[in-house]
Amino acid sequence: QLHLQESGPGLVKPSETLSLTCTVSGGSINTRGDYWGWFRRAPGKGLEWIGSVHSSGSTYYSPSLKSRVTLSVDKSKNQFSLSLRSVTPADTAMYYCARLYISGYAGMDVWGQGTTVTVSS
Amino acid sequence: SSELTQPPSVSVSPGQTARITCSGDVLSRQYSFWYQQKPGLAPILLIVNDSERPSRIPERFSASSSGTTVTLTITGVQPEDEADYYCQAADSSGVLFGGGTKLTVL
Repeated sequence: QLHLQESGPGLVKPSETLSLTCTVSGGSINTRGDYWGWFRRAPGKGLEWIGSVHSSGSTYYSPSLKSRVTLSVDKSKNQFSLSLRSVTPADTAMYYCARLYISGYAGMDVWGQGTTVTVSS
Repeated sequence: SSELTQPPSVSVSPGQTARITCSGDVLSRQYSFWYQQKPGLAPILLIVNDSERPSRIPERFSASSSGTTVTLTITGVQPEDEADYYCQAADSSGVLFGGGTKLTVL
């Protein structure tokens, strides 16, 4: 059974870079057709898509975050990662990784449990 | 970019039918998806491609599409169905989520 687990610092200072990793177990990140994505939910807000990445390296980013986001895949470790630069308190949220099995834009059928990230000095 | 509009809240009594709508122009040309999220938990995929239900999802969850509106229907609402529900679609700019609907089971 596919399992995703987010990891990374829970506290990031303003203007610094938020870096999270999602470890995939119970399956291969290199499965044809699967995309891998990052999402977040800020306190009192709804779900927000950050971006999606394929094991080939193809990436898709939210227009509102594109200038600050980089997604990458490490097939040797069965992991994919998120880097969000120049964070502000508005980036405080629960961050989730997920598999997108239909396309880079749809079908998030397996999710990590989420990790809380607080941006504060 | 496109937007998806959901009512902020819906309330029903146990055993009744809850309907949650989602509207947006993109829905007339792209498939919709529905997710359930309970407090402190990750979202769960309820519906794919407008109306298909993954095998592990209870039959009381169904969805339909008509033009620019899609509707999630929960028949015979259970207390454990109290959660936030999100519709989702995609357009040229990527993944779109509705603002979410909080379902309260009275």
